[in-house]
Amino acid sequence: DAGITQSPRHKVTETGTPVTLRCHQTENHRYMYWYRQDPGHGLRLIHYSYGVKDTDKGEVSDGYSVSRSKTEDFLLTLESATSSQTSVYFCAISESGGGLAAFFGQGTRLTVV
Amino acid sequence: AQKVTQAQTEISVVEKEDVTLDCVYETRDTTYYLFWYKQPPSGELVFLIRRNSFDEQNEISGRYSWNFQKSTSSFNFTITASQVVDSAVYFCALSDITGGGNKLTFGTGTQLKVEL
Repeated sequence: DAGITQSPRHKVTETGTPVTLRCHQTENHRYMYWYRQDPGHGLRLIHYSYGVKDTDKGEVSDGYSVSRSKTEDFLLTLESATSSQTSVYFCAISESGGGLAAFFGQGTRLTVV
Repeated sequence: AQKVTQAQTEISVVEKEDVTLDCVYETRDTTYYLFWYKQPPSGELVFLIRRNSFDEQNEISGRYSWNFQKSTSSFNFTITASQVVDSAVYFCALSDITGGGNKLTFGTGTQLKVEL
């Protein structure tokens, strides 16, 4: 199994508070991604990173920011959590080169009340 | 824009039946990759297969087989002699490899229930 750890695995937070989710990898892969999974939508890309300090937006980036200060860590921040951000968040990694399979972490279930 | 359609929301079969999960995709790219992932009830996403747009050979892995047809933009997944352990949500995904990496567009998933 790919060495990907997401923390926390579960979190309940209040509307309006900032929240940071962490993804840590031990595979030294260049690319890292954050997806959210919602019923009826499958998984949708929030942000991704193609190297240290290099990030870009995905399909559903509004209300989220990311940072990558080290190869192994990719942080997702909800600047001011809203109920619409209640979701399961998955981190994924892939090696350099297009089309190589992405491997996913265990997911973080976030509930915003 | 890329799009993946999994029209079957839920399929129920009896153990040992064969079942096919459909996936239709849209892309303007000439080079692309297609994937299937399995999400069992425990919630993790398990990579099953990757296929590139230049390789239309069907692939078989044990009870699993995949049929890729560019002419119909389909990448269907068949499980032969299904088992209860195959019960899961299955996702088809299409890659966007511009700029390197592998940004995925997922279908909405097919829930497969295999009953005794």
